[in-house]
Amino acid sequence: DAKTTQPTSMDCAEGRAANLPCNHSTISGNEYVYWYRQIHSQGPQYIIHGLKNNETNEMASLIITEDRKSSTLILPHATLRDTAVYYCIVTSGKGGGADGLTFGKGTHLIIQP
Amino acid sequence: ETGVTQSPTHLIKTRGQQVTLRCSSQSGHNTVSWYQQALGQGPQFIFQYYREEENGRGNFPPRFSGLQFPNYSSELNVNALELDDSALYLCASSRREYADTQYFGPGTRLTVL
Repeated sequence: DAKTTQPTSMDCAEGRAANLPCNHSTISGNEYVYWYRQIHSQGPQYIIHGLKNNETNEMASLIITEDRKSSTLILPHATLRDTAVYYCIVTSGKGGGADGLTFGKGTHLIIQP
Repeated sequence: ETGVTQSPTHLIKTRGQQVTLRCSSQSGHNTVSWYQQALGQGPQFIFQYYREEENGRGNFPPRFSGLQFPNYSSELNVNALELDDSALYLCASSRREYADTQYFGPGTRLTVL
């Protein structure tokens, strides 16, 4: 699976959009971009994933560049409860996920009141 | 709430002992993955079970073993505990065909003295 690079930490004001970048320059054509987050002392939470097209769900939007070498997770109206570590993960999804998810250090997003 | 439950919540053991951690999957999920999360680190993949067999394994020694039952619940067993085994142990369930979309339980905090 391709390696990802994320900023260590970011701040965002409550009510504003939080934009979390992720670089995955070695991504292969069949690899997906997944985002998870982990609120302190809880298990990770699935947010969204995509292959080529931009995706949106009730939690967030995922913007993937045309060359697929980077992506941005957007939380449209951040709240204090969005303070968490956000992980960007690239996975091939082969073998039914038998290789597991490779979590890096992620981005610690702090929402400021 | 993901519907994935883990027990116990916390556990204290001494070096050399054995421990069993339990996980109940979300309804409709047939695949279970286990992760170890040391303090300040991202989760690390231990192994995955599908159809009651180990389907994939990370870089963990054989003293980490598991079981999956017909109802898709699972156990993680660790023998000959070492101090470095102190961590949060996370279980995640998924459907085989969407195995990278994983739903995590709250974890079991294991302390080895």
